[in-house]
Amino acid sequence: DIQMTQSPSTLSASVGDRVTITCRASQSISSWLAWYQQKPGKAPKLLIYKASSLESGVPSRFSGSGSGTEFTLTISSLQPDDFATYYCQQYNSYLITFGQGTRLEIK
Amino acid sequence: EVQLVESGGGLVKPGGSLRLSCAASGFTFSSYSMNWVRQAPGKGLEWVSSISSSSSYIYYADSVKGRFTISRDNAKNSLYLQMNSLRAEDTAVYYCARSGSYPGAFDYWGQGTLVTVSS
Repeated sequence: DIQMTQSPSTLSASVGDRVTITCRASQSISSWLAWYQQKPGKAPKLLIYKASSLESGVPSRFSGSGSGTEFTLTISSLQPDDFATYYCQQYNSYLITFGQGTRLEIK
Repeated sequence: EVQLVESGGGLVKPGGSLRLSCAASGFTFSSYSMNWVRQAPGKGLEWVSSISSSSSYIYYADSVKGRFTISRDNAKNSLYLQMNSLRAEDTAVYYCARSGSYPGAFDYWGQGTLVTVSS
């Protein structure tokens, strides 16, 4: 199975900050990577697919980049609604795997 | 509006069985692959199983292979997960999710249904 490793596990930041979350794959997954946002008690929400494509309706302050084994999710200017947990997911393999999550908390 | 509504969760004893359902509306169900993802309390997301639009392709995570069975009824716009030989470690919120292709990103998710395996 392809292992996905996110860093950091927890990130403390302030409103207006630029933040970056990294996701590394144990082998190349081309650009078959998605990013999700999850708030407590809610279902995950798709933000980015195919590494850098913004899902419809998602604010443009979210962006994704990378290919192969290293990927990043960047939030250009944190808003209060962005404090949540973020997951990466690879779908290069038929055995889909998620990263362990990054909790973004208010500093 | 795309809607996915899970049902069938509850409390079950170890070794027991449960069948989850996911009712879909607002899109052409038969054109999409469907998936189950679970989340144990306080833990991350774990992909469980996926089924292609015509049920031709079915995949399972190693952790549930041989115990869980995914199926769908395109005439009823419904997705199912039959869970047998349940273990304490199967305790989780189970989400159904849609993907345009398989494998693919999951663009819509249900609200989830809680399965608790405990004696």
